[in-house]
Amino acid sequence: QSALTQPASVSGSPGQSITISCTGTSSDVGSYNLVSWYQQHPGKAPKLMIYEASKRPSGVSNRFSGSKSGNTASLTISGLQAEDEADYYCCSYVGFSTGVFGGGTKLTVL
Amino acid sequence: EVQLVESGGGLVQPGRSLRLSCAVSGFTFGDYAMHWVRQAPGKGLEWVSGISWNGGLIGYADSVKGRFTISRDNAKNSLYLQMNSLRHEDTALYYCGKDIAVTVTTGIDYWGQGALVSVSS
Repeated sequence: QSALTQPASVSGSPGQSITISCTGTSSDVGSYNLVSWYQQHPGKAPKLMIYEASKRPSGVSNRFSGSKSGNTASLTISGLQAEDEADYYCCSYVGFSTGVFGGGTKLTVL
Repeated sequence: EVQLVESGGGLVQPGRSLRLSCAVSGFTFGDYAMHWVRQAPGKGLEWVSGISWNGGLIGYADSVKGRFTISRDNAKNSLYLQMNSLRHEDTALYYCGKDIAVTVTTGIDYWGQGALVSVSS
């Protein structure tokens, strides 16, 4: 159960698009389409933004999209807004009812 | 309105035990898998344990396997985490979370506000 690999930080200007990667192995991300993405603002509980690699829960802006290729999943945020500034975490199912998170990525909106 | 409320956190000495509870409302508890996720101060999220809708399928992170036990009581709409042999590195905010499915998928669509566990002598 090694943590998934995410960049420590990414940044972008309002209106731009950014992509956060989440790299695992053939035993986790590569084996299951069960990758989720979470947004966490300081002092708040995480919020589900993407599940099953590319599905968006109701109420989540369509500016957020997810994809997966091989052992790497990605979260793309288009039309960046100030309120998107937060920490983002990916999470993958790894079999036998277990999961693993990525180390997290701090998004700064310039 | 979906609500998850954790309780049972506190200050505990290394080697001792603590039991967290999560009371849920606003959805049919027995229809979904559940999770415990923790976050050490200033650190990232760590998945701790998951349990299927009926408790038949359970998983643990390697860091807690053999020390922590997850359970649920569908009649009481409650999730539990029994934590034994606690270590300093178990100090964290422990979140209870609802899965989107009956079995563990790690898609957690509702979260509690967390229960703080501090392990210190």
